[in-house]
Amino acid sequence: GESVGLHLPTLSVQEGDNSIINCAYSNSASDYFIWYKQESGKGPQFIIDIRSNMDKRQGQRVTVLLNKTVKHLSLQIAATQPGDSAVYFCAENNYGQNFVFGPGTRLSVLP
Amino acid sequence: NAGVTQTPKFQVLKTGQSMTLQCAQDMNHNSMYWYRQDPGMGLRLIYYSASEGTTDKGEVPNGYNVSRLNKREFSLRLESAAPSQTSVYFCASRAGQGAQETQYFGPGTRLLVL
Repeated sequence: GESVGLHLPTLSVQEGDNSIINCAYSNSASDYFIWYKQESGKGPQFIIDIRSNMDKRQGQRVTVLLNKTVKHLSLQIAATQPGDSAVYFCAENNYGQNFVFGPGTRLSVLP
Repeated sequence: NAGVTQTPKFQVLKTGQSMTLQCAQDMNHNSMYWYRQDPGMGLRLIYYSASEGTTDKGEVPNGYNVSRLNKREFSLRLESAAPSQTSVYFCASRAGQGAQETQYFGPGTRLLVL
């Protein structure tokens, strides 16, 4: 989930297990949402997106769920692998130029 | 197709020095952005350019200026660096204004101001 301050929340999962990363977004009028993955020392990388007229979207090993009632977004990663270790953060957009980004969750995959 | 490129990768400045961070994209995108990322915080928008010839302030513009040199290039200038500007700076681009499309990010510039 989201956090305030300097320390990112950390999710530790066993290799091969499924991971669920949560995000609470702020604007009920937001219509487009993205999940990014950021590995250490690199720029954010697009994983999957979803529009507000959907509540679920699936990609390769990843699924995004959108609950507009409670303004909640989640990212599910199936069969988590060591290469999935990174910081994951969500972004929301309201038909405009600019995105609002969450601070992120650090995913740590245990061998 | 290199995507979004940024130079330099690392920079150390003394308080009061100036520098320009360079960004270029080869995806023919209209919109370009500059963000800063601080530990434990989300990306914060400094400036953006919706299209060639336009620039607008974001959430944290103070202490920065930008230039959209052409469609490909968008630079960020620190006129008089301060320790509070120590951060990682990311440039991003996006296809169109208002489009429900993702932004593509560069690898970042790590800046330390002493």
